[in-house]
Amino acid sequence: DQQVKQNSPSLSVQEGRISILNCDYTNSMFDYFLWYKKYPAEGPTFLISISSIKDKNEDGRFTVFLNKSAKHLSLHIVPSQPGDSAVYFCAARANQGAQKLVFGQGTRLTINP
Amino acid sequence: NAGVTQTPKFQVLKTGQSMTLQCAQDMNHEYMSWYRQDPGMGLRLIHYSVGAGITDQGEVPNGYNVSRSTTEDFPLRLLSAAPSQTSVYFCASSYSRSIEQFFGPGTRLTVL
Repeated sequence: DQQVKQNSPSLSVQEGRISILNCDYTNSMFDYFLWYKKYPAEGPTFLISISSIKDKNEDGRFTVFLNKSAKHLSLHIVPSQPGDSAVYFCAARANQGAQKLVFGQGTRLTINP
Repeated sequence: NAGVTQTPKFQVLKTGQSMTLQCAQDMNHEYMSWYRQDPGMGLRLIHYSVGAGITDQGEVPNGYNVSRSTTEDFPLRLLSAAPSQTSVYFCASSYSRSIEQFFGPGTRLTVL
């Protein structure tokens, strides 16, 4: 029972264009959603988050949108840069007291010059 | 700050062997956790701890033990390794009121 799903295993985008990564969830009790970025042979690093009471959060080139009625969130990267090539994981916080995170399967983003 | 450190980076075990994966953090974080990453599965929570002396099970705890005797260290023990435990293991830590978790570089474990 996958509570957080990233249905696109991979995405290829031209440098300078917009990258849009998608994530769907099933548990309406999630209170925070996060995006992590992972390079090969490294641990995931935190990128951006959004509270379930918000519908948008922006940090530089990165914007996360949350559509609670559709149980869907997306990460927009504008403009995309070669250094953005990585695996991106969507995650949701399941239990405020314990900071338990539920992760999606990940999407491999490749930025082409 | 070294952040979150994990040892070893790589390990090969035979079925039935036991071992301990080490995790340490120097940020005085209350919360620590262990995840495993498998292809097509994302990261799955194995065990977590909200403070020294307190641990609890995550999504996939079977075959693993943890203890938290200090704030800094959170070792993960494999009691009797099985091929299904072949995976990349990540340790993470955070302040108890922060949603941002800091991850270690991972341990790649192969069980033959």
